[in-house]
Amino acid sequence: SSELTQDPAVSVALGQTVKITCQGDTLTTSYANWFQQKPGQAPLLVIYRRDARPSGIPDRFSGSSSGNTASLTITGAQAEDEADYYCNSRDISLNHVVFGGGTKLTVL
Amino acid sequence: QVQLVESGGGVVPPGKSLRLSCEASGFAFNTFTFYWVRQAPGRGLEWVTLLSYDESHQDYADFVKGRFSVSRDNSKNTLYLQMTSLTTEDTALYYCARESLLLGWGAFDFWGRGTMVTVSS
Repeated sequence: SSELTQDPAVSVALGQTVKITCQGDTLTTSYANWFQQKPGQAPLLVIYRRDARPSGIPDRFSGSSSGNTASLTITGAQAEDEADYYCNSRDISLNHVVFGGGTKLTVL
Repeated sequence: QVQLVESGGGVVPPGKSLRLSCEASGFAFNTFTFYWVRQAPGRGLEWVTLLSYDESHQDYADFVKGRFSVSRDNSKNTLYLQMTSLTTEDTALYYCARESLLLGWGAFDFWGRGTMVTVSS
């Protein structure tokens, strides 16, 4: 079955830069989207089509991709960025979406 | 403004059925594909099913095939999820999510707040 692998937890010092990665075979043929989820809230789309930002998302959030790995980078992490982050992508062979397991980001 | 409001969750014993609803407002419901995505307590997001705007395409995750059925009533701006033969593994917060084709495949630009389904004897 298709899988997207994320590190379970990552930490970053306030104001520093952090990269959250998502790895999987589907990323060689399809782009990643990224979602932020804070406790008790629904997920929020922060990056789509690999590197595009929806309206209202701060420009400290950026996305990139290389080979089978997609990355979400937060440049100058803020306290309010502490959240769970999920990637998703399309599994072309199965024609449906798959989610990564999520990364818990702690801002120190 | 865009709103998605799920309802229908609750506590049910194993083997029973439940129907969830997702009522949409603030946009042209009949032009969007919708997904149900669930999240078990303390766990990650898990795709459950999708239904295209015209119901021509639907698909299910393997773990719900044959048990869950998705449908929509475009005249009522409502998406449904009929769940049967529920097991404790189905315990989760169920979200409906709108896919924006403008933003791309899997780009869920709006989510509801979810409705909790607890399967327990």
